[in-house]
Amino acid sequence: DTAVSQTPKYLVTQMGNDKSIKCEQNLGHDTMYWYKQDSKKFLKIMFSYNNKELIINETVPNRFSPKSPDKAHLNLHINSLELGDSAVYFCASSQLSGTAQDGYTFGSGTRLTVV
Amino acid sequence: AQKITQTQPGMFVQEKEAVTLDCTYDTSDPSYGLFWYKQPSSGEMIFLIYQGSYDQQNATEGRYSLNFQKARKSANLVISASQLGDSAMYFCAMSAGSYGQNFVFGPGTRLSVLP
Repeated sequence: DTAVSQTPKYLVTQMGNDKSIKCEQNLGHDTMYWYKQDSKKFLKIMFSYNNKELIINETVPNRFSPKSPDKAHLNLHINSLELGDSAVYFCASSQLSGTAQDGYTFGSGTRLTVV
Repeated sequence: AQKITQTQPGMFVQEKEAVTLDCTYDTSDPSYGLFWYKQPSSGEMIFLIYQGSYDQQNATEGRYSLNFQKARKSANLVISASQLGDSAMYFCAMSAGSYGQNFVFGPGTRLSVLP
């Protein structure tokens, strides 16, 4: 069973299009995240949701909009795609608790290529 | 704000030898967790090892050990008996905040194991 699953794994699209990446976790975690990994492999948090509520919203263009219909899902919608949006996007989940030991589980990533 | 520094962009090690990947961190939170992840060329993020800020002993997981020096704010990863399959990007990460919700990555170290 896949703990954190993202779809699609690969996404190639033209500039200006709108696309969504879906993420689902079956771990019962209450917090989910989106990270962007650029071409230099640097991982930067974009959003964090706890029980469907936004708790971290880093400086990302408002073309990026996360949607969490329930605590097991956190989808990422991107409007008016630009060349600079090309990257690998990782979804992750964790159990928000008093200790960080519960760990963070990552999806397999979505490689987005904007042409 | 939390920050992770990995000063070695690339490392080489001979197969079967041990290698240390450096990681230093900065946080004002008294409670935090330190993680190491491996990212092979296939792209997935694989959890390796965790160290809590209050843990008295250094964490070990098989061939991985974490050399935790709290006063120096360092959390180096030691891989013993390197294998060719260890060639990958390695990321140090930290979780902090009241509920561990702030999770940041270092820039990564690319390890190449030579036959």
